[in-house]
Amino acid sequence: QKEVEQDPGPLSVPEGAIVSLNCTYSNSAFQYFMWYRQYSRKGPELLMYTYSSGNKEDGRFTAQVDKSSKYISLFIRDSQPSDSATYLCAMNDNYGQNFVFGPGTRLSVLP
Amino acid sequence: DSGVTQTPKHLITATGQRVTLRCSPRSGDLSVYWYQQSLDQGLQFLIQYYNGEERAKGNILERFSAQQFPDLHSELNLSSLELGDSALYFCASSSPTGLEQFFGPGTRLTVL
Repeated sequence: QKEVEQDPGPLSVPEGAIVSLNCTYSNSAFQYFMWYRQYSRKGPELLMYTYSSGNKEDGRFTAQVDKSSKYISLFIRDSQPSDSATYLCAMNDNYGQNFVFGPGTRLSVLP
Repeated sequence: DSGVTQTPKHLITATGQRVTLRCSPRSGDLSVYWYQQSLDQGLQFLIQYYNGEERAKGNILERFSAQQFPDLHSELNLSSLELGDSALYFCASSSPTGLEQFFGPGTRLTVL
């Protein structure tokens, strides 16, 4: 079992839809959780990070962490074609060190 | 533009060869991370340096080595290259909190 799992997609949705992206993990020591967006052939770009369980909102993006289930989610409201990218979750157990990334989910938002 | 620069953008070489990838972090960032991204493996953490010192090691092969120089730029050296080393290599630097990583544009390595 991989440390971090993510549905690879591709996930296709119509413009304006609410998108739910998810990761599961096995290491209960993970405390810091991040979501990155990666456009084709570009470096990943940090969208949000959260510490421990709970929700965090930033504009159209909401990150949720459920440590009891070892499950994290990223919701995108009012999705736009410009949101089409691969979304990577990442986490670590030791502040600023040794990040573990999920394999990424490819999202396509259709106009 | 993240402020992290990487050179070269593309590198094509043959099996058995050695290459050096270079990274300059954002101004003020002391930490540099190296990652390998291939189609079947996703983004794999290789190694982290903080202010010239090795801080954490991930899935880095013994054929690979890295260092961070006094001016904080970093180099990743890949030797005895194999076909399977073909991948995108990313460098990232982090803010003082360590949680916000800023990725460079990557170096695409092709081993023929």
